[in-house]
Amino acid sequence: GAVVSQHPSRVICKSGTSVKIECRSLDFQATTMFWYRQFPKQSLMLMATSNEGSKATYEQGVEKDKFLINHASLTLSTLTVTSAHPEDSSFYICSATPSGLAGGREQFFGPGTRLTVL
Amino acid sequence: AQSVTQPDIHITVSEGASLELRCNYSYGATPYLFWYVQSPGQGLQLLLKYFSGDTLVQGIKGFEAEFKRSQSSFNLRKPSVHWSDAAEYFCAVVPKSSASKIIFGSGTRLSIRP
Repeated sequence: GAVVSQHPSRVICKSGTSVKIECRSLDFQATTMFWYRQFPKQSLMLMATSNEGSKATYEQGVEKDKFLINHASLTLSTLTVTSAHPEDSSFYICSATPSGLAGGREQFFGPGTRLTVL
Repeated sequence: AQSVTQPDIHITVSEGASLELRCNYSYGATPYLFWYVQSPGQGLQLLLKYFSGDTLVQGIKGFEAEFKRSQSSFNLRKPSVHWSDAAEYFCAVVPKSSASKIIFGSGTRLSIRP
C-alpha cells in the first residue's frame, strides 16, 4: 500500500515551453502533497506544499508564477514548470501524506521526474 | 536553530564490513525520525522510521537504527554490507509541530569496496 506515482518519469523540452508533471496517490487519499527539487549530488529541497482544494504554499525563494501547482483532487497534484529554461533542469520528486491524524507524520514518495530543458 | 546533520558526506566500506551512518538532529521535542535510501536517478525508499517506543528500530534490507535521546542521534547500522547497498542515504525528521513538513539531512553517499 501507500504507492505514489509520477508521470512522466523523464521529459526533455525546449526552452520557453511549459511542462506538466503529475503526482498521484494510487491507493490512498492525500489531503496534502509536497513537491521537491533535487540537484545532482544534493539533498531534496522542498518547493511547495499542495493542499487539496486550496492554494499551494510555496517555500521562500520559489517563484509561484514559475512553478504552478494544482491539487484538484485527493489523489492528484500537478506541477507545471512554465516557460522552462535550462536552469530549471532538475529531478522533481513529489510526496503525499495520507489524510487523517495518524497519517500526517509520514510521507510517501514518488519515483521522481527528470526534467531536461534544452 | 532546528536542523538535521549528517556529518559524513561520503563513506567507503568493504563488502561484508559493518556500516554506521550518523545522523544528529536539533529540535526542542523529539521529532519523528526516518532513514531513506536513494539509488542514482531513482526516488526515495523508506528504510525505517521511529515514532516512539523501542529505541532500536529494524528496517528493510537488514538495516537498523538506534534512537538515542541523550545524544539527539538516530544512527543507521548494518552488520554486513552488500555491493547493492551503494547509494545515497538521507536522514530525515518531521517535527511534531510541522504539520508533516519533512526536513532532510544533506545525505551520505555510500560506496562499497569489492
